[in-house]
Amino acid sequence: QKEVEQNSGPLSVPEGAIASLNCTYSDRGSQSFFWYRQYSGKSPELIMSIYSNGDKEDGRFTAQLNKASQYVSLLIRDSQPSDSATYLCAVNIDNTDKLIFGTGTRLQVFP
Amino acid sequence: DADVTQTPRNRITKTGKRIMLECSQTKGHDRMYWYRQDPGLGLRLIYYSFDVKDINKGEISDGYSVSRQAQAKFSLSLESAIPNQTALYFCATSDSPGLYTDTQYFGPGTRLTVL
Repeated sequence: QKEVEQNSGPLSVPEGAIASLNCTYSDRGSQSFFWYRQYSGKSPELIMSIYSNGDKEDGRFTAQLNKASQYVSLLIRDSQPSDSATYLCAVNIDNTDKLIFGTGTRLQVFP
Repeated sequence: DADVTQTPRNRITKTGKRIMLECSQTKGHDRMYWYRQDPGLGLRLIYYSFDVKDINKGEISDGYSVSRQAQAKFSLSLESAIPNQTALYFCATSDSPGLYTDTQYFGPGTRLTVL
């Protein structure tokens, strides 16, 4: 059974701090990795995708991928209360375009 | 207008009833997916379709069926609804991939309650 694991949280950080979200996956053949943000009762929306080892930055967000250790992380700099949401990690499996999702980490940013 | 739409947005039904959830997209994508989301269990794939003539079962297809009426339309049916099918249902679409898996874009969701 292929798996994607995330700490469910909540992860509480003060406004302006760096939030660090982590995800591990079991399928060594996975090549495509995604971070989605989901507000309560809403649909997931893409934050970032990453395909190569290393860091990828987009504004306040940085995704980090380490295929050897099978983990992917998301850093959110200068966290804002509007970043409070559940963050879903998704990974392709079985060398296909099917995605498997983690259960998500709930982030709370307090003023 | 939204690129991926789902109807209805909310539905309450009774055990044993047949119900259809519909998904339409204007993104021009070939690939469409149906997921359900339950608290603590995350998103789980029910069915997926890579083109109009290609339908595949996902992780949890039992009790569900689908129809891909056109490139833009993908419907999910519950032939005889049961209470444990109460969940939030999402449709998603993606383009045909290049070297890597393409991003999936989600509709707004349908909240289904089976009494």
